[in-house]
Amino acid sequence: DGGITQSPKYLFRKEGQNVTLSCEQNLNHDAMYWYRQDPGQGLRLIYYSQIVNDFQKGDIAEGYSVSREKKESFPLTVTSAQKNPTAFYLCASSVTGGGYGYTFGSGTRLTVV
Amino acid sequence: KQEVTQIPAALSVPEGENLVLNCSFTDSAIYNLQWFRQDPGKGLTSLLLIQSSQREQTSGRLNASLDKSSGRSTLYIAASQPGDSATYLCAVLNDYKLSFGAGTTVTVRA
Repeated sequence: DGGITQSPKYLFRKEGQNVTLSCEQNLNHDAMYWYRQDPGQGLRLIYYSQIVNDFQKGDIAEGYSVSREKKESFPLTVTSAQKNPTAFYLCASSVTGGGYGYTFGSGTRLTVV
Repeated sequence: KQEVTQIPAALSVPEGENLVLNCSFTDSAIYNLQWFRQDPGKGLTSLLLIQSSQREQTSGRLNASLDKSSGRSTLYIAASQPGDSATYLCAVLNDYKLSFGAGTTVTVRA
């Protein structure tokens, strides 16, 4: 079945540590996205990529970095510069432009310990 | 900047009652609107996608309407069941960007 796989499901980060969240899709979508979800708030866009080897900052990119070396993969690194990283992170994909809707993964819960 | 609002934030109904969830957006120049369901601690599941040229979409007990000119969409769920308990999110696409409301959390009491 086609879909998006996010791993790990739960992740714990110590202060000052960088961590990487994995996102893989087999939908043959060109575009991929990372969102952050906090309680009581709508999803906020961190980074997005419309094509391999190219990506753009979203609304809350500070403290995060991404790469897009393969069409299927769009990993997100939460760096030590992100002061409040505890949140639920969701990866999504779509055809270019999103005209046929977005598909989301099952999410990664990141907690700072 | 697109602002998406969902009212009410929470809703509790007895089983069998029809549900009406509202979504409003400030910029009517949207490409499409998507309704999602989210269970606690889970990802988003797409329920319905309405293109800007459409007025409504239906899937089983779900019906979503779109009035682009007034910046509104409504999700109707007929004959609610306890399994419909979840958070429902509305998202609009414009300028290649998907903007979300904060969601309506629905509880259906058996």
